[in-house]
Amino acid sequence: GNSVTQMEGPVTLSEEAFLTINCTYTATGYPSLFWYVQYPGEGLQLLLKATKADDKGSNKGFEATYRKETTSFHLEKGSVQVSDSAVYFCALTEGTGGFKTIFGAGTRLFVKA
Amino acid sequence: SAVISQKPSRDICQRGTSLTIQCQVDSQVTMMFWYRQQPGQSLTLIATANQGSEATYESGFVIDKFPISRPNLTFSTLTVSNMSPEDSSIYLCSVEDTGTGRGGAFFGQGTRLTVV
Repeated sequence: GNSVTQMEGPVTLSEEAFLTINCTYTATGYPSLFWYVQYPGEGLQLLLKATKADDKGSNKGFEATYRKETTSFHLEKGSVQVSDSAVYFCALTEGTGGFKTIFGAGTRLFVKA
Repeated sequence: SAVISQKPSRDICQRGTSLTIQCQVDSQVTMMFWYRQQPGQSLTLIATANQGSEATYESGFVIDKFPISRPNLTFSTLTVSNMSPEDSSIYLCSVEDTGTGRGGAFFGQGTRLTVV
């Protein structure tokens, strides 16, 4: 079945460092891909998305490109801030059966001042 | 976008009891989804709820344990029945982002359940 694999955390970076969180997926058909963020004590928020191959999703300085050839959707940010400390979930939706979302395990990011 | 309100936001319950979680959306949606997030874990889909039909449960989840109601296009409830400490989790309601037509979801703030 469809699945999402993302790098294990926690990831600890200093402020202004470059961030990459790897995400790969297994899917039949053509899923949409997403990154969600969960700040401490809060609910889940959609960070960015891409709906077809070679699309780049971007938001708040974060970017991810839908790479069909490598089945990847890696999250990047050029310069992280302390306020980016959160858990990041890579996810996909499968169109059959009504857009169910399948989540990766999540990667916790700590950014130090 | 959709605004989703969940009640209660948190609760501490005795084992053997049941808790009903409410989810209210500010717009009409066809499908609503219920997820469970166990401590330190990712989200697992419990069931999909369509208005006017029985909910569709994922493997490992059954209606007797997690009965769901979907009386109209803006509201749903999830009941966690005969609770045990293993049911301690965050339960999240979600609706699809119909604006894109390609999925993605909006989530409620979640209900943090502790069973003692």
